[in-house]
Order: sequence, then C-alpha cells, then structure tokens
Amino acid sequence: DSGVTQTPKHLITATGQRVTLRCSPRSGDLSVYWYQQSLDQGLQFLIQYYNGEERAKGNILERFSAQQFPDLHSELNLSSLELGDSALYFCASSVEAGGSSYNEQFFGPGTRLTVL
Amino acid sequence: AQKITQTQPGMFVQEKEAVTLDCTYDTSDPSYGLFWYKQPSSGEMIFLIYQGSYDQQNATEGRYSLNFQKARKSANLVISASQLGDSAMYFCAMRELSSGTYKYIFGTGTRLKVLA
Repeated sequence: DSGVTQTPKHLITATGQRVTLRCSPRSGDLSVYWYQQSLDQGLQFLIQYYNGEERAKGNILERFSAQQFPDLHSELNLSSLELGDSALYFCASSVEAGGSSYNEQFFGPGTRLTVL
Repeated sequence: AQKITQTQPGMFVQEKEAVTLDCTYDTSDPSYGLFWYKQPSSGEMIFLIYQGSYDQQNATEGRYSLNFQKARKSANLVISASQLGDSAMYFCAMRELSSGTYKYIFGTGTRLKVLA
C-alpha cells in the first residue's frame, strides 16, 4: 500500500458525459501528479500540482482539468468524454515539486475509466 | 525525439536466471533522475530503483540493480535470480528540469515473462 488513495476504482460512463476522479496523496506529500495509461501503453503525464498550485502541464487535453484543494487532495475532471478517453488514470504523490533530491513518486491504485 | 526509449516490447527469462531490461534516455538537464517501475497485471505501479545523474555508483536494491552508463545515456535494469512473481510490465522513467519545472517522462515499457 503506497498510501495514495484514488476513488473510484472503476468508472463506466457514456460519451459526452463528465466525470471527476479523486486522489488523496500520502500524508506529508505536497505534490500530486496525474497520468493517463491507455491500453498497453506507457504513462502519459497530464498535470502536476504542488501545494495547491499548478506546477507543470503535460499532454492534457483542454476537455480535462484538475485542481488541488487546501487539504492537498486533488481532483481530475474529464468532460465531453470520448471513447478514446477510456484508460487507467493514475495519481502519484511526492514530497517535493522536484529538486536535486531523490523525490520518488508513490502511485495510487488507479481509476479505470471506461467510456461506452 | 523520444526522451525515454525501451526497445524491448517483450522479454522471456528462465526462472532463477538474470535478465537485463534496456532503457536509453535523452536530456539536456545535467541534474536528472532515472527510475524503474514495475506494473503487475493487477495494475498498480511499484517503484523499484532510482539513479541520480550525479551518483557515482550504480544503484542496487535487493535483486534489482541499475547499470548506469552516463556517456551512452543508458540505464538498464538488471534483475538477478528471476522469480515467477517478476512477470510484469517494467517502465523506465526520467525526471528532468524542463522550462523551470520538473517533469516525469515514462518509456513505453517492457513486458517480462518469467518461465518456470
């Protein structure tokens, strides 16, 4: 158990709908990262938040947005869903935003999104 | 250009033998970090090992070691005494400083199958 929690574990929805994925980082971790893993693909970095502020953006679609709340949990909002958005969405957390230290990322169990 | 390249989509190894999973990287950041993660069929991402760009010695963690060849920009994962439970997808990842922020980039992965 990494200490990172994600809900829900599975989500099935229809095209055009909007969903929210939730992530709670490990206690003490200030950074939250979101990744998308499509079938048999590597992880695509979407976005990073550090202590409530957006810190880095990756390949995140305009239909997707995220935020990190004062209690440091984060939500990833996916709207106008398309079939191609079906994927495993991971949240990871780390102590820092980056830096010269080790800064290992701890991954949550993921949310499997199926768009029908 | 690919930042992280894993050229072996799939590998087989006999139980109790050693196996090397290849990873090459490309970055202009002098202070980067390299990570390996394991993803079993259950889907979670498990951190295995880390190598910092300034580390003089190759990283080791139990049966895992990282063959770091900086000049060749390679960071191969060596698993000694393979076990059936090592069958999984393995991802190489790099943390680099890009546009003032740290980003994590993952390779496409190598699927390892350990044979009894």
